[in-house]
Amino acid sequence: DAGVIQSPRHEVTEMGQEVTLRCKPISGHNSLFWYRQTMMRGLELLIYFNNNVPIDDSGMPEDRFSAKMPNASFSTLKIQPSEPRDSAVYFCASSLTDHGYTFGSGTRLTVV
Amino acid sequence: GQQVMQIPQYQHVQEGEDFTTYCNSSTTLSNIQWYKQRPGGHPVFLIQLVKSGEVKKQKRLTFQFGEAKKNSSLHITATQTTDVGTYFCARNSGGSNYKLTFGKGTLLTVNP
Repeated sequence: DAGVIQSPRHEVTEMGQEVTLRCKPISGHNSLFWYRQTMMRGLELLIYFNNNVPIDDSGMPEDRFSAKMPNASFSTLKIQPSEPRDSAVYFCASSLTDHGYTFGSGTRLTVV
Repeated sequence: GQQVMQIPQYQHVQEGEDFTTYCNSSTTLSNIQWYKQRPGGHPVFLIQLVKSGEVKKQKRLTFQFGEAKKNSSLHITATQTTDVGTYFCARNSGGSNYKLTFGKGTLLTVNP
């Protein structure tokens, strides 16, 4: 298994542009999570899907952030418009319910 | 969400010395998970503890869950340079909403 696959690995964009981050979870995992990591705030859960359905999006900062999971093999996190304060490493993780998470390698986003 | 507090925030040791990080909660935990993140890497699942007073070992790593299920610890015996990284504990929200809230982590550096 290739693990959780995220793309792109690095993204540099200008303020105001739309950014789309992509994630392919491990086949058979029924839960998918998007986290954001910064030095100041640590690892923050943004949104959590179970069986492709969004269960908890209370961590999504504001309306500029949206996430979708159209099928069990794919999820996207979109930021529109992006702002410099969105600069962070964004991790996708997947798991079976009540098991440890498998994280992807992350997308390092820089908004200038 | 409910937090878990980790101490210390940083720990620097000489290779061969022991290391312990602690994770504390003000409320009872259903379970606790531990992760390791190497510099520039992504969190990697180490273990899950479920039972009161549980002790689990992985080679030089010993994990404990408190009797009251409000605290946990990770102890590394005779540290090596490969142990460098940030160690996170994470609590499960419990119930049907399966999401993890991560502590801020303990950054371990090892002087060879």
